[in-house]
Amino acid sequence: EAQLVESGGGLVHPGGSLRLSCAASGFTFSSFWMHWVRQAPGKGLVWVSRINSDGSGTSYADSVKGRFTISRDNAKNTLYLQMNSLRAEDTAVYYCTRDKNGPHYYMDVWGKGTTVTVSS
Amino acid sequence: DIQMTQSPSSVSASVGDRVTITCRASQGISSWLAWYQQKPGKAPELLIYDASSLQSGVPSRFSGSGSGTDFTLTISSLQPEDFATYYCQHGDSFPITFGQGTRLEIK
Repeated sequence: EAQLVESGGGLVHPGGSLRLSCAASGFTFSSFWMHWVRQAPGKGLVWVSRINSDGSGTSYADSVKGRFTISRDNAKNTLYLQMNSLRAEDTAVYYCTRDKNGPHYYMDVWGKGTTVTVSS
Repeated sequence: DIQMTQSPSSVSASVGDRVTITCRASQGISSWLAWYQQKPGKAPELLIYDASSLQSGVPSRFSGSGSGTDFTLTISSLQPEDFATYYCQHGDSFPITFGQGTRLEIK
C-alpha cells in the first residue's frame, strides 16, 4: 500500500526557516511526480509546489516562489520542502501528495500532514 | 491563474438524500477536474478525476460530470460517512487551484 509520512513541522519565528520531509513507501517513488499542498487553520486547500519524477522540473505557487524550494532524493524515497523567510500566513498543515501520473495533475495519495506554525 | 468556484458553500441533507455540488472554472479546462472528500482532522481523499472517472475503491454512489467550465459532483444516496467537506481541483496546468470547498452537513 502506498504511504506518505511527513515530518519536520513545528513552531518557527517569522523570518525563520524549516525543512519538511516526506518519506514514501509502498510504491516506486522515482516514477512519480510529487506535490506539496497546504491548509491554513479552518481554511481550504492550497497547492504549494510540484516536482517531476527525476527532480529536474519544479513549479511553485506565487505566494511561495523565491522562498520555498522543493526537492527529492530518489535513493532515499524522500521528498523535501525547504521553507525560508517564513511568514505568519505560511501557518498551515502541509500535506505531501503523490501525483496520479496521468497527463493531468491529480493527487491520489496523501500523507497525514505536518503542522507549521509561524509566530513570534 | 484558473479560478475554481464551488456552490453552495454548505448544504444540509439527510441520509438517503441525493446531493449535487457544482464547480465552475474561470476558463475552459476540458475534463481535467478532480473531486476530493475531506473529513475533519484527516487528509483529503481523491474521489473523481477527469471529471467523471471514479477513483479505485470509491463507492459507486459518487459520480461526476461536466466539461469546459461547469462540473458537478453527485452523491446518489447519502450515507452517514459522506458528511464531510468536498473540494474540486483543476488538473489542467500550473498553478493547480482548488475550489473553496462545500461543507455537507447532516440535517
